[in-house]
Amino acid sequence: DGGITQSPKYLFRKEGQNVTLSCEQNLNHDAMYWYRQDPGQGLRLIYYSQIVNDFQKGDIAEGYSVSREKKESFPLTVTSAQKNPTAFYLCASSISTPSTDTQYFGPGTRLTVL
Amino acid sequence: GEDVEQSLFLSVREGDSSVINCTYTDSSSTYLYWYKQEPGAGLQLLTYIFSNMDMKQDQRLTVLLNKKDKHLSLRIADTQTGDSAIYFCAEIQTGANNLFFGTGTRLTVIP
Repeated sequence: DGGITQSPKYLFRKEGQNVTLSCEQNLNHDAMYWYRQDPGQGLRLIYYSQIVNDFQKGDIAEGYSVSREKKESFPLTVTSAQKNPTAFYLCASSISTPSTDTQYFGPGTRLTVL
Repeated sequence: GEDVEQSLFLSVREGDSSVINCTYTDSSSTYLYWYKQEPGAGLQLLTYIFSNMDMKQDQRLTVLLNKKDKHLSLRIADTQTGDSAIYFCAEIQTGANNLFFGTGTRLTVIP
């Protein structure tokens, strides 16, 4: 089955720890994205990558880091510098540039900082 | 920056039509999307409309776009309890690299 997978579904972290969220797609999409969702707000873009070994900051990149070593994978690290990391994190991908291609989303990871 | 607005809540009775509204501010929007999010899940693409269209119908879903007023709506005919979810509108501008999302409208269908 083609699709986007995110793991884990739920993640708990102690304050001060870094944590990495996984996102994998087998759709052969070039572009991948990370969004953060908070209650009562729309999704906000953290980072995006249009091609392997390249990525750009989105609107709220501070306290986050990413890598794109493989086309299929776009892991997101939430660092201890992120002041309010508890949120629902969504990964998405699209064939190429999103102005022409639809973004498809993974099931999300809910991160809770204890 | 870009602003995309939606009402937060909508309740309808099963079998009635639901209309979810969205307004946006940037006139250079290229595509406008509707996504559905069920509890604890990711976003599922429902439909999209290109900015040179004013209507698109897909089974129970009808999308209307009023480009002059920058208003987008999603009509769900014969709403069912399985339609209960949060619905997000999103738009992308020409040459941009990311979607701008509305706050989401929580649709509750009353049996």
